[in-house]
Amino acid sequence: EPEVTQTPSHQVTQMGQEVILRCVPISNHLYFYWYRQILGQKVEFLVSFYNNEISEKSEIFDDQFSVERPDGSNFTLKIRSTKLEDSAMYFCASSRQGYYGYTFGSGTRLTVV
Amino acid sequence: GESVGLHLPTLSVQEGDNSIINCAYSNSASDYFIWYKQESGKGPQFIIDIRSNMDKRQGQRVTVLLNKTVKHLSLQIAATQPGDSAVYFCAEKETSGSRLTFGEGTQLTVNP
Repeated sequence: EPEVTQTPSHQVTQMGQEVILRCVPISNHLYFYWYRQILGQKVEFLVSFYNNEISEKSEIFDDQFSVERPDGSNFTLKIRSTKLEDSAMYFCASSRQGYYGYTFGSGTRLTVV
Repeated sequence: GESVGLHLPTLSVQEGDNSIINCAYSNSASDYFIWYKQESGKGPQFIIDIRSNMDKRQGQRVTVLLNKTVKHLSLQIAATQPGDSAVYFCAEKETSGSRLTFGEGTQLTVNP
């Protein structure tokens, strides 16, 4: 069964450093997303990406966040200057249509120290 | 066993019993709903979905019920097994846009 792949599974970074989280969506999917989940809390939407541009973003997704699809397979989330409160699980997802077949990856646990 | 969503985030049942997990949503513009299962350290895993033009949908051992009048969604799991132990989230999507809004989650524990 096709799956969304995320790397690394765990990243530890110092406050103020830049991090890039990587995702390989399912190959025939057109919509890409990032969500985050702070420990013990619900999953929160960050951003959606379609046709090489951001289609929707939440209030969490401020200027320190950016997304990119640098080639035909990868989808990345960059956090420019990490803060302690950025510590969370970050999930990448992709879907073939806007809602159908929404599939999540296993996540990257980001720990900011 | 049955949960009441936000006010009872844990549900403990005996193996073989049926489980009912509830979810209240607030956005009347939502037209698509999904139940996800999340095991420890993993991403949300799709269980079943339902569109707003339906009130019931069945899968293998799972049934989702949608009551748009009171904005309520439930997930029924038949013959619950230890492997069903996980956190269950409902998620909703508005007619416009593609973001999912997740509920708080319910921890289901199945006792052997």
